Amino acid sequence: QSVLTQPPSVSAAPGQKVTISCSGSNSNIGNNFVSWYQQIPGTAPKLLIYDNDKRPSGIPDRFSGSKSGTSATLGITGLQTGDEADFYCGTWDSSLSDVVFGGGTKLTVL
Amino acid sequence: VQLVESGGGLVQPGGSLRLSCAASGFTFSKFAMSWVRQAPGEGLQWVSAISGSGGSPYYADSVKGRFIISRDNSKNTLYLQMDSLRVEDTAVYYCAKMSSGSYYGGYFDSWGQGTLVTVSS
Repeated sequence: QSVLTQPPSVSAAPGQKVTISCSGSNSNIGNNFVSWYQQIPGTAPKLLIYDNDKRPSGIPDRFSGSKSGTSATLGITGLQTGDEADFYCGTWDSSLSDVVFGGGTKLTVL
Repeated sequence: VQLVESGGGLVQPGGSLRLSCAASGFTFSKFAMSWVRQAPGEGLQWVSAISGSGGSPYYADSVKGRFIISRDNSKNTLYLQMDSLRVEDTAVYYCAKMSSGSYYGGYFDSWGQGTLVTVSS
């Protein structure tokens, strides 16, 4: 059972937009920055978003992050088949003194 | 940034392994480093971390007392000594660079390709 809750799967057609939610509590998302990671099957995770809404260099602006209260959201616009991957949210949990992750969301581009 | 793990393999329950992570492309001593594992078909789990200076090691409860993290800043290398291995330690172990010298509140900005540890009789 993950500390952060994500939907197991989302899907959308090429060119469309999708959002992935990440729900937590005041001890984690509510008072700490959120990061998002993309893991294409068979490869290592890659940082997509940090500090709630910042993109590392090289990450296209089709990817966006936001946070409100104890929830965070990853948005992906202009979906491409190459975006199919598992997406994980992560943050610090001040009560546990741990980095915690969501269980992951599998994106299917139909 | 490049992170290259090695040392994984097949080991019997109760056995030991030592993972290494060779780092390049950044000032190694300035950044905290972590090990994150992923069991087959499962999500990510933060296992262990160490500050840039080599102090304040962190361990997940599931590995505390069995795993030891260390680093050699003169060799730009991170290690994870894993003893008393259990079947449930089977996973891909990723070396990950953290965003600052401390792991508190940080995120993972670069990842290695991972090394598979299989614990089975």
